[in-house]
Amino acid sequence: AAGVIQSPRHLIKEKRETATLKCYPIPRHDTVYWYQQGPGQDPQFLISFYEKMQSDKGSIPDRFSAQQFSDYHSELNMSSLELGDSALYFCASSPKDREASSQFFGPGTRLTVL
Amino acid sequence: AQSVSQHNHHVILSEAASLELGCNYSYGGTVNLFWYVQYPGQHLQLLLKYFSGDPLVKGIKGFEAEFIKSKFSFNLRKPSVQWSDTAEYFCAVKPPGSARQLTFGSGTQLTVLP
Repeated sequence: AAGVIQSPRHLIKEKRETATLKCYPIPRHDTVYWYQQGPGQDPQFLISFYEKMQSDKGSIPDRFSAQQFSDYHSELNMSSLELGDSALYFCASSPKDREASSQFFGPGTRLTVL
Repeated sequence: AQSVSQHNHHVILSEAASLELGCNYSYGGTVNLFWYVQYPGQHLQLLLKYFSGDPLVKGIKGFEAEFIKSKFSFNLRKPSVQWSDTAEYFCAVKPPGSARQLTFGSGTQLTVLP
């Protein structure tokens, strides 16, 4: 079965640079969520999109922005990167039906900021 | 503050031992409850979920969980663990009224000794 695809899997950037993470949800999933998992920490919700509109916002810094495109893929744009942004960034998607609360996670993008 | 609590940060068991991982939440109202597993270096995988109905839910890999509303708990159990169950286990809650994002507990690292 198709899963959530994230690219790139690994990314190394320097402070103050920008980064763009991509997420391709499972086909027919209309909702995308972004989570940040720091080393040894639990995933923290950043932002979500439903039908290409932002649906909820969590602890996403102002330096970050995201959007969902017409094909339902989503991009997380991160600017003025800081050392503390080093983390695993997960994307999850959920389907249109009753099981909307079941989120399926991608493999994550490991961002390292030097 | 409303939260999800996993009281055991690290659990070490021998193979064939029984497992119970605690999860408590502090949200009122109707919540959806989940357990995810994260194997080393991998993404979050859904073990099981509770939306409504029978409070005893069975998941994959022989795991089950019991929702006890009066105790605000959703403990994960497995009668006999295997070495391959070594992973981090996250309890997650979709609080009432939220768009659909999950709030995760801090995780429990399970180490099963062969």
